Amino acid sequence: DIQMTQSPSTLSASVGDRVTITCRASQNIFRWLAWYQRKPGKAPNLLIYDASTLNSGVPSRFSGSGSGTEFSLTINGLQPDDSATYFCQHYHSYLYTFGQGTKLEI
Amino acid sequence: QLQLVQSGNELKKPGASVKVSCKVLGYTFKNFHVTWVRQAPGRRLEWMGWINLSGGETKYNENVEGRVTMTADSYTKTAFMEVRSLRSDDTAVYFCASGNNWLGPWGQGTVVTVSS
Repeated sequence: DIQMTQSPSTLSASVGDRVTITCRASQNIFRWLAWYQRKPGKAPNLLIYDASTLNSGVPSRFSGSGSGTEFSLTINGLQPDDSATYFCQHYHSYLYTFGQGTKLEI
Repeated sequence: QLQLVQSGNELKKPGASVKVSCKVLGYTFKNFHVTWVRQAPGRRLEWMGWINLSGGETKYNENVEGRVTMTADSYTKTAFMEVRSLRSDDTAVYFCASGNNWLGPWGQGTVVTVSS
């Protein structure tokens, strides 16, 4: 199985800041990676797929980059509503796996 | 607007079975997949597999294959996932989601608690 490791596990930032979350895959997954946002008691929300494609309706302050084994999610101009847990998921080969999540506190 | 609506929370005893449903609203295209994902307390999300809502094709996580069966009713656009021989470590929030690669939108989640 491909292991997905995120860093940091928790992140504290202020409104207006720029933050970056990293996701590392244990082997090459090309660009087969998605990022999600999840708020307490809610279902996950797809932010980015294919490593850098912004899902419809997601604010442009979210962006994704990377390929191979190193990926990042960047949020520019943090808003209070961005307080959530963010996690990555690969879909290169079965079995798909998720990162452990990064909790962002604002 | 595409929306997935799941059945209610369940409390089950060890050894029992549970069947969670996921009704898909607002889709019109043929090749539609529903993926099931669960999250146990304190653990990361776990991909369980997917089913094609039209043709019934399935793909399972080999770690749960054998105890899990995914089915679908294409007429009512509802996907089902049954987990048999429940154990305490099956206690989790179970989600369905649209897609078989990236996933979205997701259902609201169904809490399955396994306890004697």
